[in-house]
This record gives sequence, structure tokens and C-alpha cells, in this order.
Amino acid sequence: AQKITQTQPGMFVQEKEAVTLDCTYDTSDPSYGLFWYKQPSSGEMIFLIYQGSYDQQNATEGRYSLNFQKARKSANLVISASQLGDSAMYFCAMGPSGNTGKLIFGQGTTLQVKP
Amino acid sequence: GAGVSQSPRYKVTKRGQDVALRCDPISGHVSLYWYRQALGQGPEFLTYFNYEAQQDKSGLPNDRFSAERPEGSISTLTIQRTEQRDSAMYRCASSLYGGWGNSPLHFGNGTRLTVT
Repeated sequence: AQKITQTQPGMFVQEKEAVTLDCTYDTSDPSYGLFWYKQPSSGEMIFLIYQGSYDQQNATEGRYSLNFQKARKSANLVISASQLGDSAMYFCAMGPSGNTGKLIFGQGTTLQVKP
Repeated sequence: GAGVSQSPRYKVTKRGQDVALRCDPISGHVSLYWYRQALGQGPEFLTYFNYEAQQDKSGLPNDRFSAERPEGSISTLTIQRTEQRDSAMYRCASSLYGGWGNSPLHFGNGTRLTVT
């Protein structure tokens, strides 16, 4: 069975510093996708970044990068130059590449950025 | 519209009543998904459609839950004989290409359902 684990319930980071949010996954599928979503206190779910299991390079989107280590089954999110607006809940998710909409989400990590 | 629209934003109902939650996806999006999110948890998959066809309903908790998308656009999630355990945020999401790996889900702001 597929599973996503986020072991950090809460994280703090100083403004302008980088932070890594951990995510490990378990699947027997040879092909899958990994996603990160941001949920601010307003409640919306915002797509941040995607990594396919066969992608050779780590995905990057602006200040977000995904540190994909396939052998370790980890897909950590790195946020560079943290901003106050980055304070939110962050969810890691996984889905099979043939049907990426049926995602399994982790429990989430709450990130607080300190001024 | 510009994003996925859900209505109502909040719904309070009494135990035993039926409720219908509406989702209007992004125009042109083929796939539409329903998720349920408990407070402090990640969303859990309920069901999804490609066009008007329901492709997978394995996440629906029981037969009180049903969903439809009759014209391949707007979708309705119906919960019959609501119970207090049904209280949650119900989120709809759509994606452009059903099943493509780089077509992410765009979520609506959800309907907060409270069953009293």
C-alpha cells in the first residue's frame, strides 16, 4: 500500500533563511508522482511543485525545490530565502503517474517563519 | 471561471438530513476530484470523474455518499442521512489532463460541513 510520512508536525525558520520539510514515501509502483501543496491559514490548497519518479533532475519552481532521493524514498521540499508569507501548512502527496489526481497526502508540516 | 468554485462555503445541517455540495471546475478541465479533509489532516480521496464518467469511487466511505457530473462540467457530491462523523471540509479539485503526470490538481476553497 502507498503511504506518505511527514515526521515534522511543526517547524520554525528565520526569515530569509532556507528550510527543508521532510517527506518519505512507500510504494511498490515503478512509476509515480510526488507533489507538494501549501495550505495557508485561509484554507486554500496551493500547488507548489511536482516530481516524476523517472525525472532525472530535481524539480525546481522559483524558491521551491524538491530534493528527490529515489533510493531513500524521500522527497523533501526546500524553501530558500523564507518569507513571512511562507507560514502555512505544507502537505506532501503521492500519486500513480497514470492517474495523478488520486493522491495520498501526508499529515502535513506547519511552518512558521519568524521575522 | 478563474479557479475551482465550490458552494456553499459553509453548510450546517442536522443529523439525518441530506446535503448536496456543488463544484464548478476550471473551464476545460477534463478531470474532477472530490476529497475530504478533517481538521489538521491531509485531504483524503473520495472519487473522481473524467468528463461525465465516474472513474473511481473507491474512497467514498459508504453508500450514503454519491457523486455525479452529468454534463462533464459541474459536479455534485451528495450525502444522505448525514451523521456527525461526516463533519469535515469537502474539497473539489480539477486538472486539465486526466492522468497526466505534470497536470497538477487545482483545489477549490472547499465546503465546510458541520452536522449537528
